[in-house]
Amino acid sequence: AQSVTQLDSQVPVFEEAPVELRCNYSSSVSVYLFWYVQYPNQGLQLLLKYLSGSTLVKGINGFEAEFNKSQTSFHLRKPSVHISDTAEYFCAVISDSNYQLIWGAGTKLIIKP
Amino acid sequence: EAGVAQSPRYKIIEKRQSVAFWCNPISGHATLYWYQQILGQGPKLLIQFQNNGVVDDSQLPKDRFSAERLKGVDSTLKIQPAKLEDSAVYLCASSSRLAGAADTQYFGPGTRLTVL
Repeated sequence: AQSVTQLDSQVPVFEEAPVELRCNYSSSVSVYLFWYVQYPNQGLQLLLKYLSGSTLVKGINGFEAEFNKSQTSFHLRKPSVHISDTAEYFCAVISDSNYQLIWGAGTKLIIKP
Repeated sequence: EAGVAQSPRYKIIEKRQSVAFWCNPISGHATLYWYQQILGQGPKLLIQFQNNGVVDDSQLPKDRFSAERLKGVDSTLKIQPAKLEDSAVYLCASSSRLAGAADTQYFGPGTRLTVL
């Protein structure tokens, strides 16, 4: 069965520092990848997605992610984080078999002032 | 474009009581999802509708949970009777494509349920 692994449950980083949130997925026939963000007490908001084309995907709020097929990764990056980026970030992949989302366990981004 | 609407935002009940959640998807979206998100975990799909039909309810605890989307627009999820382990955030999402196609899901703000 397909799976998504987010290697870090929490990532603390100082404000204005760069950050990378890691995501690996199990290989599959077709790959559609997503990053969602969940701010405290809110629903999930789409940050960015990879469906096809350029492997570098730009999203909202200055985030970007790179699809790496050989490493089966889709890591999320931001060059300079702000206190408002404090949230939980979820990586997800669409299942080959039923097109439903398979979710990672999430990574909490903690911004230190 | 209005997003996915959910109500209520918060609900506190005692175990063995019943509760219902409402969701209104983005206008024109054929597919609607209900998820359960327990604290510290990713969302777990409970049920998927396409228009007013059920596509997948394999993870819905049917002895206590039920859901409907009678007119293919808004949807209601009910729990009766509630258990302590049902404490979670219930998320509704919708997507424009029919089930069986890769597409973006758009989420509502969720309903946080606390069962005492």
